[in-house]
Amino acid sequence: QKEVEQDPGPLSVPEGAIVSLNCTYSNSAFQYFMWYRQYSRKGPELLMYTYSSGNKEDGRFTAQVDKSSKYISLFIRDSQPSDSATYLCAMSAEVYSFNKFYFGSGTKLNVKP
Amino acid sequence: DGGITQSPKYLFRKEGQNVTLSCEQNLNHDAMYWYRQDPGQGLRLIYYSQIVNDFQKGDIAEGYSVSREKKESFPLTVTSAQKNPTAFYLCASSMARIDLNEQFFGPGTRLTVL
Repeated sequence: QKEVEQDPGPLSVPEGAIVSLNCTYSNSAFQYFMWYRQYSRKGPELLMYTYSSGNKEDGRFTAQVDKSSKYISLFIRDSQPSDSATYLCAMSAEVYSFNKFYFGSGTKLNVKP
Repeated sequence: DGGITQSPKYLFRKEGQNVTLSCEQNLNHDAMYWYRQDPGQGLRLIYYSQIVNDFQKGDIAEGYSVSREKKESFPLTVTSAQKNPTAFYLCASSMARIDLNEQFFGPGTRLTVL
């Protein structure tokens, strides 16, 4: 069983739709949860970061963490064609100078104009 | 501008050849990482380094080698022992903060074996 599971998609939605992206994990030690966005043939960039359980909102993006269910989500409101990318979830257990990140396989999102 | 640079962007290798991928950062980060990305498999850690002249194997180190002679530089050599080297290679760096350990990624190098 992989440490982090993520549906690879692709997920295709019309412009303006609400998008829900999800990851599940098996390691209860994970405390730090990240969402990275990766455009085609580019490096990933950090989109959202959450510590422990709860919600975090940044503009059109909301990250949710449910540690009891080992489930994290990223919601995108009013989706735009520029949101078309692969979204990777990542998790880690503790913060040190080196901290291993566990990545999901990524969900490819296509927002149609 | 601070950031991570990787070169070349595209690299073609013949069977049996060693190739070296460059990674440079000017973020003054202590830790650097190499990942391999294959379709549908996410990012897999090859090597990481927390400090100059020290590095550790990640999950898939076989067929790869690294060096860390300078804080800014962490080159990766893909040797002929790597059975299936065609992939997208990503370099990252990080500096630990008390509340976050964000990894910043470079633009990647796409390696193709001919």
